[in-house]
Amino acid sequence: QVQLKESGPGLVQPSQTLSLTCTVSGFSLSSYGVIWVRQPPGKGLEWMGVIWGNGNTNYNSALKSRLSISRDTSKSQVYLKMNSLQTEDTAPYYCARALDYWGQGLMVTVSS
Amino acid sequence: DIQLTQSPSTLPASLGERVTISCRASQSINNRLNWYQQKPDGTVKRLIYSTSTLESGVPSRFSGSGSGTDYSLSISSLESEDFAMYYCLQYATYPWTFGGGTKLELK
Repeated sequence: QVQLKESGPGLVQPSQTLSLTCTVSGFSLSSYGVIWVRQPPGKGLEWMGVIWGNGNTNYNSALKSRLSISRDTSKSQVYLKMNSLQTEDTAPYYCARALDYWGQGLMVTVSS
Repeated sequence: DIQLTQSPSTLPASLGERVTISCRASQSINNRLNWYQQKPDGTVKRLIYSTSTLESGVPSRFSGSGSGTDYSLSISSLESEDFAMYYCLQYATYPWTFGGGTKLELK
């Protein structure tokens, strides 16, 4: 069945770079897109970006200067990198197959 | 960016009641709208896609409708497991955007 799981550090220092991995199973990254979504504390869901089956990407304009999404189809993994982290980037981060199945989410705290 | 305005932000309701959540877009999104449910543990599930198509395995008490800029999610007879957060998402135009969410709570 379709599964996605986020992994990475739970704590990142301010100004550092966040690196997350989304490991998928039950489908091919060459055929489906994967999105990243986060949820700042007390707020709603924020779409961050997408990487499609052909490798094309689109990003939230508010994050575009800091954000990069890539993938390794042979490992069934999608990567999120976001630099210059600030405390307001503290949130659970989710990956999801574009528009349907979601991972369980990974809490990331930005703090010194 | 397309703004999605969800209302109400909080919806107190009773078991067995019928409820409707609204999602209004700042411009036409051509039925490219999904509804998601988020449980308190953070688990997110798609309920409805393309405005009105019920996700496989989702109970038939959930339904979606709308067109142009106005969309809605209805639950015909609330059950205990329905009390959760609900979000709409438009994917008509980048950046994709979510509504602000509706908290469905027990009255």
